[in-house]
Amino acid sequence: GAVVSQHPSWVICKSGTSVKIECRSLDFQATTMFWYRQFPKQSLMLMATSNEGSKATYEQGVEKDKFLINHASLTLSTLTVTSAHPEDSSFYICSARWGRSKIQQYFGAGTRLSVL
Amino acid sequence: AQTVTQSQPEMSVQEAETVTLSCTYDTSENNYYLFWYKQPPSRQMILVIRQEAYKQQNATENRFSVNFQKAAKSFSLKISDSQLGDTAMYFCAFMSPINNDMRFGAGTRLTVKP
Repeated sequence: GAVVSQHPSWVICKSGTSVKIECRSLDFQATTMFWYRQFPKQSLMLMATSNEGSKATYEQGVEKDKFLINHASLTLSTLTVTSAHPEDSSFYICSARWGRSKIQQYFGAGTRLSVL
Repeated sequence: AQTVTQSQPEMSVQEAETVTLSCTYDTSENNYYLFWYKQPPSRQMILVIRQEAYKQQNATENRFSVNFQKAAKSFSLKISDSQLGDTAMYFCAFMSPINNDMRFGAGTRLTVKP
């Protein structure tokens, strides 16, 4: 099956610094990528949807200046958490949709962000 | 907006037995897709099964099957011959072909006991 690689799997940073998370589709072209946030023992909450070459669409309540999303190519999307604070600590998951299919989504393994 | 409800936060089942996880959803659309995802302790999301709303036949994948009741907006997952490796969080998800994003329920934590 299709593979989505997410890196890093775990990152610890100091409050006030920025952190970049990468999401790559390894064996297919992902025209659409999604970023989710998951708090402990809770569900996945959609943060934003990004289409290659265009600006991301953010869900209501998600700060676009705090969570910068770039989808510069058909195989790479990045999420940058700017000026991170302890409340940004969470599990972030990306997923990618194969260009030919508007149904199947493939998920990355997630990134655990801990802000000290 | 579509909502997905999973009313069972936790469930347990004895190994080799059968368990059913419930899911209801709310939508005004006629065509859509429903999914069950498994999230084991590794937290990697794994697709278990999917159902297209326009298909009346219930989807099956080996030990996993669904009971899709479109009029009732219900989409339950039945796991037969439960195995220890089935222990995980299970999320029900809804996707509309109009906006193409996927919405998840709160999840059900399933424990398979030996």
